Amino acid sequence: KAGVTQTPRYLIKTRGQQVTLSCSPISGHRSVSWYQQTPGQGLQFLFEYFSETQRNKGNFPGRFSGRQFSNSRSEMNVSTLELGDSALYLCASSSESTGGANTEAFFGQGTRLTVV
Amino acid sequence: KNQVEQSPQSLIILEGKNCTLQCNYTVSPFSNLRWYKQDTGRGPVSLTIMTFSENTKSNGRYTATLDADTKQSSLHITASQLSDSASYICVVGGRGSTLGRLYFGRGTQLTVWP
Repeated sequence: KAGVTQTPRYLIKTRGQQVTLSCSPISGHRSVSWYQQTPGQGLQFLFEYFSETQRNKGNFPGRFSGRQFSNSRSEMNVSTLELGDSALYLCASSSESTGGANTEAFFGQGTRLTVV
Repeated sequence: KNQVEQSPQSLIILEGKNCTLQCNYTVSPFSNLRWYKQDTGRGPVSLTIMTFSENTKSNGRYTATLDADTKQSSLHITASQLSDSASYICVVGGRGSTLGRLYFGRGTQLTVWP
């Protein structure tokens, strides 16, 4: 069974540009969540999708947006990139439909975004 | 405020030695606590998941303990190996939470020297 796949693995962009990251969850998983990881802040929650609907959103500016498709694949978009957006962006998927105490979360390898 | 604090921030041990990492949390109501291992530049990989009714759970050389009364957890690594060098992240879920409502610690960076 294939794991969570994130593309691309590495990305270099300049300030002001926009970027789209992709996440393909494990087959059968309908819940996808996104996180930003930086050395200073650790993992910060961005948003969560279930069956094409955004279920939760973290405290990030409107420049960060996402969506989920009918096949559960998800994309995350960041517009007007800033230097501080440089981070490892992680995607996780799970099979849970509602809050589950033992629901396993499977993470992808992440996309390393560098803004110059 | 829901928070997860881990200690120490970093740790260096010699191969073959044991070590214990700590996690304190203030998340309430509490549902579950997870430990993840994250190698540099990779995504986190789950080690254990415990609910409030579980006191201990093992996964090979990794043993996690949970005291829901004092809101503390520990991860004990036995007979460390070079491949154990990684960041270990404690994650707490509130009751009824989905994956979008998990609280992350900042991790303990473990380095195992030969």
